[in-house]
This record gives sequence, structure tokens and C-alpha cells, in this order.
Amino acid sequence: SQTIHQWPATLVQPVGSPLSLECTVEGTSNPNLYWYRQAAGRGLQLLFYSVGIGQISSEVPQNLSASRPQDRQFILSSKKLLLSDSGFYLCAWEAVGISEQYFGPGTRLTVT
Amino acid sequence: GQQVMQIPQYQHVQEGEDFTTYCNSSTTLSNIQWYKQRPGGHPVFLIQLVKSGEVKKQKRLTFQFGEAKKNSSLHITATQTTDVGTYFCAGMKTSYDKVIFGPGTSLSVIP
Repeated sequence: SQTIHQWPATLVQPVGSPLSLECTVEGTSNPNLYWYRQAAGRGLQLLFYSVGIGQISSEVPQNLSASRPQDRQFILSSKKLLLSDSGFYLCAWEAVGISEQYFGPGTRLTVT
Repeated sequence: GQQVMQIPQYQHVQEGEDFTTYCNSSTTLSNIQWYKQRPGGHPVFLIQLVKSGEVKKQKRLTFQFGEAKKNSSLHITATQTTDVGTYFCAGMKTSYDKVIFGPGTSLSVIP
């Protein structure tokens, strides 16, 4: 069966510090991968999605970037965090041709 | 661009009452999905509807896809405290497009 991992679960970082969040998927090959951000009590904002290694599409201009160095690994990064980067970051995968998305447990990021 | 809207944004119900959330798209959809996010948790896939006019049931939950494939609804009969959470619909224009999530309906159930 497929599983999706995200870490860390919670993170408190000062403004201006770098960020690296990792997401890995097991039990499937060539998944579509997604990064979402959710502000408290709000909906899901799509940040990046990837249909293959090295292929990243950005949805919202910001100081975040994403990379997919391996088929089942998706990384979200920032060189310098802003206060507005605080939120709940969710990684999700879907099998190609099947539009159901499966979410990881998420990372709660607080920028102080 | 394609937009997916949901109403209401919030709903408070007494335990045992019914609940319905509505999802509307600005364009015809190839399919629609529903997700549930419990407080503090992550969204969990519930169901996908593909056919025009399709109705699917999961215990007390009834999902419907409109005839024009531009709207959908989720109805919960006799709500329980375990139904608390935010319900998101998500649709895509074609199977090659990415999924667009609605803003969600937050359900509170008063015991």
C-alpha cells in the first residue's frame, strides 16, 4: 500500500532563516506531487506541483521554491522566511490519470 | 480561470440535524471529489463522482453530481460529533488538468 511521509511535524523558525521541508511517497511510482499551504481556518492554496523528476510548476509567486530530486521525493525550500510564510504545509500525491489526492500529515510552520 | 466555490462557509448544527454543503464550478467538470479535514488533521479523500447526475452514498453521507456537471452537494443525515471538520470539494476541467479545491465548509456539531 502507498504511504506519504512529511517531516518535521512542527517547526518554529525566525524571520530570515532558511527552510527545508521534505515529503516522500512509498509504494507507488511516478506520482504527481503537490505542495499546499493552509492558513489557520482557511482553504488550501496550491504552491507547487510536479509531474516528474525535475519538473516543477509554480502557482503563486513567492519566496518559496520546490524541487523533486527523486521520483518519490518532493522538497519545499526557502532561503529567507517571512512572517507571512507561517501556516500548515501539506504535501499530496496522486497516481497519474487518477485525480484522487492523498495528503501527508503536514508540517505546522510558525515564523517568529 | 476555473473557480470552485462552496457554500456555506460555516455551519453549526445540533447533533442529529441534517447538513448540506454545496459546491459550484464556473466551468463544466470532468469529475468532482470530496475531502474531509478533521480539526488539526490533514484532508482525507472521501469520494469521486464522474457521471452526470451521479449519486453515491457512504453510510449517512450522500454525494451528488449535477446534471450539467458544474455543481455538487454533500448531505449528511443525522449529524454526529464525529462529523465535525471542514469539507472540501475539488474538481478538474479535464483529466489532464490539475485539481482545483473549493474553499471548504466548516461544520460544527453541538452535542
